Amino acid sequence: SSEVTQDPAVSVALGQIVTITCQGDSLRSYYASWYQQKAGQAPVLVIFRKNNRPAGIPDRFSGSGSGNTASLTITGAQAEDEAVYYCYSRDSSGDYRVFGGGTSLTVL
Amino acid sequence: VQLQESGPGLVKPSQTLSLTCSVSGASTSSGGYYWHWIRQRPGKGLEWIGYIYYSGGPYYSPSLESRITISLDTSKNQFSLKLISVTAADTAIYSCARESIAEPYFFDSWGQGTLVTVSS
Repeated sequence: SSEVTQDPAVSVALGQIVTITCQGDSLRSYYASWYQQKAGQAPVLVIFRKNNRPAGIPDRFSGSGSGNTASLTITGAQAEDEAVYYCYSRDSSGDYRVFGGGTSLTVL
Repeated sequence: VQLQESGPGLVKPSQTLSLTCSVSGASTSSGGYYWHWIRQRPGKGLEWIGYIYYSGGPYYSPSLESRITISLDTSKNQFSLKLISVTAADTAIYSCARESIAEPYFFDSWGQGTLVTVSS
């Protein structure tokens, strides 16, 4: 399969834990990264190569992966985490790239 | 490193969209990077368009490959995107980005993006 799929929307209560997932056959072989995009802004990398955080990204963001699923977890969601989150990886051949459709996170 | 997109902001339907990404602070001839194009249509998600690198490619999104060409000009330290036969559905913010070959799976640099509107 050349696709990775995400749930369109997820909500979380303020301060709680939320996990956003990305599924695809290619994820059995290739790492995923995660981008956060707030309304009207450019995407920001929050997790790369499965579970690494760039400098400046709060440690409440973490990544993991198992089988055909990559996950982004926010432990103690804050109001400022409300955004659309995209996973990014390769297709099964490894030559092409794919974005998930994005998950809109609402913090209640 | 900085990436800067440039090109017309308005293209007529059926014409060709041409964009250039100028790279500063890194060399496109170094061989260590993939050079990508990405777009985001209004209200839609991120869409990978394609990439090229010094010793290979280009590779194109299957959904666009019949209409796109990505090329690399190392003498000018830039790479380009051409999209033919555009329609209103090609209206989007187009961005260029860099991915390390040694440490892949994410973009370590991303241009600010340029809005291209397809309209008569």
